[in-house]
Amino acid sequence: QVQLVESGGGVVQPGGSLRLSCAASGFTFSSYGMHWVRQTPGKGLEWVAFIRYDGSNKYYADSVKGRFTISRDNSKNTLYLQMNSLRAEDTAVYYCAKDQWPKALDYWGQGTLVTVSS
Amino acid sequence: DIQMTQSPSSLSASVGDRVTITCRASQGISNYLAWYQQKPGKVPKLLIYAASTLQSGVPSRFSGSGSGTDFTLTISSLQPEDVATYFCQKYNSAPWTFGQGTKVEIK
Repeated sequence: QVQLVESGGGVVQPGGSLRLSCAASGFTFSSYGMHWVRQTPGKGLEWVAFIRYDGSNKYYADSVKGRFTISRDNSKNTLYLQMNSLRAEDTAVYYCAKDQWPKALDYWGQGTLVTVSS
Repeated sequence: DIQMTQSPSSLSASVGDRVTITCRASQGISNYLAWYQQKPGKVPKLLIYAASTLQSGVPSRFSGSGSGTDFTLTISSLQPEDVATYFCQKYNSAPWTFGQGTKVEIK
């Protein structure tokens, strides 16, 4: 069965960096685009970034453009999100999700909490 | 960018009631609209894609309709296990914007 397991969250000071990972299993990872989506505690969902199956195209929300970088290693079945210049408003649970075009985001990980605080 | 607006932001209904949630796109998105259900403390779950197609395993009391800019999620007979927040999302192109969510509670 499809499994997505995020890791790398934690507490970081404003201006700091963090790298999130998402280990995928149960499907052919190299055939699917992948997303990062975040959710502020008690709030709604915010799409963060997308990468095509082969890494050829990447897209970002305006709120993270220039600070976050999405990447993937298809040999390791792993998705990444490098987060730099972190701000308090980046505090959220970060989910990775599989893109099943044209079926939208059909599987989500359990999420990893990122807290940006001094 | 296209904005997604859901209404209402919350609702309270009785078991067995018909519940309707709307989602409006600021520009046309054809039928590239998905609905997700997020139960308290849980991960979002895909309910409906392509505006009206039920994801496998989703109860038939859920249905979706619409195209272009106006979309609807309907629960034909609300059940206690449907207590959740529901989000719409456009996925025709970047950014993959979500609506702000609709919290559904039992009266």
